[in-house]
Amino acid sequence: GQNIDQPTEMTATEGAIVQINCTYQTSGFNGLFWYQQHAGEAPTFLSYNVLDGLEEKGRFSSFLSRSKGYSYLLLKELQMKDSASYLCAVGNTDKLIFGTGTRLQVFP
Amino acid sequence: DTAVSQTPKYLVTQMGNDKSIKCEQNLGHDTMYWYKQDSKKFLKIMFSYNNKELIINETVPNRFSPKSPDKAHLNLHINSLELGDSAVYFCASSTTSGSLSYEQYFGPGTRLTVT
Repeated sequence: GQNIDQPTEMTATEGAIVQINCTYQTSGFNGLFWYQQHAGEAPTFLSYNVLDGLEEKGRFSSFLSRSKGYSYLLLKELQMKDSASYLCAVGNTDKLIFGTGTRLQVFP
Repeated sequence: DTAVSQTPKYLVTQMGNDKSIKCEQNLGHDTMYWYKQDSKKFLKIMFSYNNKELIINETVPNRFSPKSPDKAHLNLHINSLELGDSAVYFCASSTTSGSLSYEQYFGPGTRLTVT
């Protein structure tokens, strides 16, 4: 079966660092994607990991451990505009399987 | 320039009606998708087309019929609408190479409400 788990909600303070975890068990794997979705808007691509390790992109970093079926998204220097849902997705041949998303609220 | 566009943005209709949603991408991608996002915000793939050929059909009721006239367009027609069809429908596109999927670009979504 396909199973992708993320925490449902998280809160953090402006300027802080937050880590959003994702664990997965899928029948196939060809990459781990993170998307950001603001309320009422489309998901937008943030990062992609296909090999183990950390990928850094400005304030956002994503980590992957394939042997553990585990990824995290790290957001640094949080801003109010980072309040959104963060969707973890596993690439499985020619499709993405999404987790249920983590709703992050950033407070002043 | 809009990369992936969908029309209409909002659609309110009654049970039993038939409706269509259109999607176009100008990114030159070879693969297009339809997703359904329910009230709990769970995003689930419905269909995927690669160069006008259906490659994914995720056990969606046959009331839903996608059509791809060319690789830049993927439309979704829904017959005999039911209350449970109410959701936000997203179109997306990507480049694929062999069995690898790359990042997908999403359209703005169509909020369908069936009354």
